[in-house]
Amino acid sequence: QKEVEQDPGPLSVPEGAIVSLNCTYSNSAFQYFMWYRQYSRKGPELLMYTYSSGNKEDGRFTAQVDKSSKYISLFIRDSQPSDSATYLCAMSEVRARDDKIIFGKGTRLHILP
Amino acid sequence: DAGVTQSPTHLIKTRGQQVTLRCSPKSGHDTVSWYQQALGQGPQFIFQYYEEEERQRGNFPDRFSGHQFPNYSSELNVNALLLGDSALYLCASTHPSSYNEQFFGPGTRLTVL
Repeated sequence: QKEVEQDPGPLSVPEGAIVSLNCTYSNSAFQYFMWYRQYSRKGPELLMYTYSSGNKEDGRFTAQVDKSSKYISLFIRDSQPSDSATYLCAMSEVRARDDKIIFGKGTRLHILP
Repeated sequence: DAGVTQSPTHLIKTRGQQVTLRCSPKSGHDTVSWYQQALGQGPQFIFQYYEEEERQRGNFPDRFSGHQFPNYSSELNVNALLLGDSALYLCASTHPSSYNEQFFGPGTRLTVL
């Protein structure tokens, strides 16, 4: 079993819809959870950074962590065509610069105009 | 403020050759991490440098080596290239006060023929 599982998609939704992206993980020591957005032929861009369980909101984006279920989600409200990208979840055990970050495979998202 | 920069953008090599990829971190960042991202996969951690030393290493063979210079820039060297080394190589930098919040460069796409 991989440490981090993420459905690769592609996921196609109409403009304006609410998008739900998810990851599951097996390592209960993970405490820090990140979502990155990666446009084609670009490097990943950090979108959200959360600690432990709970919700965090930033504009149209909401990150949710359920440590009891080892499940994290990213919600995008009022989705726009510019949101079309690959979304990578990532996680680490400690918040230290020498801790490894483990990434999911990424979910390709298409927002249809 | 320039972000993370990487060179070259693209590279084509043949099996058995050696390659050197370069990375300049964001201003003020002292930690550099290298990742390999195969097509359709998430980034896989190769190794991390700060204070000019390798601090963490992922599950990559010794053919992969690196270096960090006093100005915090870094190189990734890969010897005896294999077809399977074809991938996007990403560099990420971290500020000393930002723990493991990593900022990625655009990557170098390596093709091994």
